[in-house]
Amino acid sequence: AQSVSQHNHHVILSEAASLELGCNYSYGGTVNLFWYVQYPGQHLQLLLKYFSGDPLVKGIKGFEAEFIKSKFSFNLRKPSVQWSDTAEYFCAVRDGGATNKLIFGTGTLLAVQP
Amino acid sequence: DAGITQSPRHKVTETGTPVTLRCHQTENHRYMYWYRQDPGHGLRLIHYSYGVKDTDKGEVSDGYSVSRSKTEDFLLTLESATSSQTSVYFCATENFKAGGHGYTFGSGTRLTVV
Repeated sequence: AQSVSQHNHHVILSEAASLELGCNYSYGGTVNLFWYVQYPGQHLQLLLKYFSGDPLVKGIKGFEAEFIKSKFSFNLRKPSVQWSDTAEYFCAVRDGGATNKLIFGTGTLLAVQP
Repeated sequence: DAGITQSPRHKVTETGTPVTLRCHQTENHRYMYWYRQDPGHGLRLIHYSYGVKDTDKGEVSDGYSVSRSKTEDFLLTLESATSSQTSVYFCATENFKAGGHGYTFGSGTRLTVV
């Protein structure tokens, strides 16, 4: 079964700094990849997703992610973070087979200091 | 999202009592999932359903059961609550037939077992 690793557990940045959060999944083939965001006290919301095609995916709120098949990676980026980006970020990969379930990473807590 | 309602939003219960959490959707999505979210563990799948009366276990199913008697409702039961089941529980749905757009999450249920 698939697994997902998020290497950064806690990231602290100042406003206007650039962001890159790492995500690696365990094996190749056709993959569906997702980034979700969870603002304090809220549920998870979809930031962006990759199914096929252009490996550079643009999502909401200025986020983007790049799928690099050779590295089994799907890193999340944002050129200039804002205080309102303070949240927890989860990478997820769809498990193969009939269940279609998503496998989530353990999350990265991002704190943006004004 | 307005299409998924979880109830109750908060619950405190005593060790050894049964507890049922409800997930109600108006999206007519076929797939429904129950996850628990714990610090350092991200989201872990408890049970899922791929149709009415079709359910299966996830990675942390011990001590939990589910039922889905109609498309819109997916119930999670803690048969005899333990302190290790103190967590935030999220329901998610997906209409995979539409190409699999990723999950839509409910607002969560915060359960405390004392």
